[in-house]
Amino acid sequence: SAVISQKPSRDICQRGTSLTIQCQVDSQVTMMFWYRQQPGQSLTLIATANQGSEATYESGFVIDKFPISRPNLTFSTLTVSNMSPEDSSIYLCSVVPRGPEAFFGQGTRLTVV
Amino acid sequence: RKEVEQDPGPFNVPEGATVAFNCTYSNSASQSFFWYRQDCRKEPKLLMSVYSSGNEDGRFTAQLNRASQYISLLIRDSKLSDSATYLCVVNEWENSGGSNYKLTFGKGTLLTVNP
Repeated sequence: SAVISQKPSRDICQRGTSLTIQCQVDSQVTMMFWYRQQPGQSLTLIATANQGSEATYESGFVIDKFPISRPNLTFSTLTVSNMSPEDSSIYLCSVVPRGPEAFFGQGTRLTVV
Repeated sequence: RKEVEQDPGPFNVPEGATVAFNCTYSNSASQSFFWYRQDCRKEPKLLMSVYSSGNEDGRFTAQLNRASQYISLLIRDSKLSDSATYLCVVNEWENSGGSNYKLTFGKGTLLTVNP
């Protein structure tokens, strides 16, 4: 199993600003995944982060808007840049230590005003 | 075009009822299949994996029909604590040490079990 500490748990931000979300895992993992869950919707994969290389972004998501860092095998950050109200959502990180089960952070509930 | 579709719900059932959730997926090359449970304002957690042979875990039974690209979850003798959103999840790739792993989530079906 894996235990993920995700911070912050929630935030209210002004439009045009940026928020960085952190995930710390209690074990080393190859891949970390970042998801968005909009109100009433399911999870949508934003990007997959490998240690030491650029993240791989899914269609509709770009690095300038959602820069990701992965400095080591237990930590990653996702930044939501130049926020607008449409970015209000829950953001979750996830890992798959050995497969097939995925483990998730507790989520960051973001409201942009 | 949605890749994983579930019953829209919501489902409201009395305690002790049997409830079934259905799910279809569009990618015939999908490798593995799961049901996750998500409680209100919590993260998703694995309920069970789904195999072609079918699998059962206590009151929960999951079935997979690859030919029809159909997945089901049956909950028997439902409890108040079963109230949650149930997510049908498909892995499109072979999981080899965590690489080439991509989960696609259904929208989820909300279940409320009433006393």
